[in-house]
Amino acid sequence: DAGITQSPRYKITETGRQVTLMCHQTWSHSYMFWYRQDLGHGLRLIYYSAAADITDKGEVPDGYVVSRSKTENFPLTLESATRSQTSVYFCASRRRPGLRHNEQFFGPGTRLTVL
Amino acid sequence: DQQVKQNSPSLSVQEGRISILNCDYTNSMFDYFLWYKKYPAEGPTFLISISSIKDKNEDGRFTVFLNKSAKHLSLHIVPSQPGDSAVYFCAASVGNQFYFGTGTSLTVIP
Repeated sequence: DAGITQSPRYKITETGRQVTLMCHQTWSHSYMFWYRQDLGHGLRLIYYSAAADITDKGEVPDGYVVSRSKTENFPLTLESATRSQTSVYFCASRRRPGLRHNEQFFGPGTRLTVL
Repeated sequence: DQQVKQNSPSLSVQEGRISILNCDYTNSMFDYFLWYKKYPAEGPTFLISISSIKDKNEDGRFTVFLNKSAKHLSLHIVPSQPGDSAVYFCAASVGNQFYFGTGTSLTVIP
């Protein structure tokens, strides 16, 4: 199906483990983003990517690593998970800047629990 | 410190009446403002946006107003429908950095 998908949808892991959240989009959008949603904070930008092999930090990048070897994929890795990284993670994509709405298209989210 | 704020966590409105959702921001460099709607267990979906050079944008039942001097924007939904019940997020961007508010949960009572 066309669109933006995330996997897994739910994940439980333990403190100190490495976890990778996957994001895939079929629109060939240039830009992709990772957010986390926490109570009292709304959505906060972790990392974004303007194109393959181009990534940049957002508001809360510490403890996360991203890569983008292909335009359609943008995985997010927690190298050593901590309890404070328990959250709902959303991936989003956007067409090139300058278009009328400047909107992002969001995936369904991954609920991550770190025990 | 939060650059985009939604000070009302919830709002209840009768079906057919106007819903007004508010958002305040602090960064005068924001060049685009957006509203998203979110249902439980789904990602946010785009509703409407406005460039910083405009003060109003309308799309069907949805209108966004921007008051740059007050650093305030609002979303008006007229008439409100039960299907509008959701969490609404306001967002602002500068370049590729997007900042979201904490959301307002709208309940439209039939």
